[in-house]
Amino acid sequence: LAKTTQPISMDSYEGQEVNITCSHNNIATNDYITWYQQFPSQGPRFIIQGYKTKVTNEVASLFIPADRKSSTLSLPRVSLSDTAVYYCLVGDIGQGGKLIFGQGTELSVKP
Amino acid sequence: EAEVAQSPRYKITEKSQAVAFWCDPISGHATLYWYRQILGQGPELLVQFQDESVVDDSQLPKDRFSAERLKGVDSTLKIQPAELGDSAMYLCASSLPNRHEQFFGPGTRLTVL
Repeated sequence: LAKTTQPISMDSYEGQEVNITCSHNNIATNDYITWYQQFPSQGPRFIIQGYKTKVTNEVASLFIPADRKSSTLSLPRVSLSDTAVYYCLVGDIGQGGKLIFGQGTELSVKP
Repeated sequence: EAEVAQSPRYKITEKSQAVAFWCDPISGHATLYWYRQILGQGPELLVQFQDESVVDDSQLPKDRFSAERLKGVDSTLKIQPAELGDSAMYLCASSLPNRHEQFFGPGTRLTVL
């Protein structure tokens, strides 16, 4: 199982772009990178998933360099409601693997 | 929008008592997960079902925890006897087979006194 490392916490201000980087040096060939968001007292919510290069949806972008040893979740123009914990997970469900949640990054957005 | 249902939302029990949590996944989701989340930590997978079969229960403390999904739809997680260290949020999630996108329920907050 690929181990992930991400910052424990980050601070930002409303309207700024936030980039959260996750390191996964021993990512396997078949592993995907998945990000979840969790608000207090709620279950995590899927944000985005990618394998390589760049993926974008209505909520975020995910940048993955060619060596895939890291990934960056980009949140454009954050608001106070983006204050949450963000988890980076690496694995391959399709090959019988499982996704492991680490400690996550606690993002605090200030006015 | 379909959601994962869990009950109860909150449970307070005394040490050595039995507790049970119920989860109803999104219709059509064959894969069901139970997680435990201690405050300040990420969710820890306890058990994974594919239909009615257990796929992974390597982190389930089998001396006191049990989980079942008899008809491959809803599921029950039981703790007997509860210990102080079991106080946590218990989360249920479901997904389509082999998909990374899991849909989580609101969780059950367990407090053991």
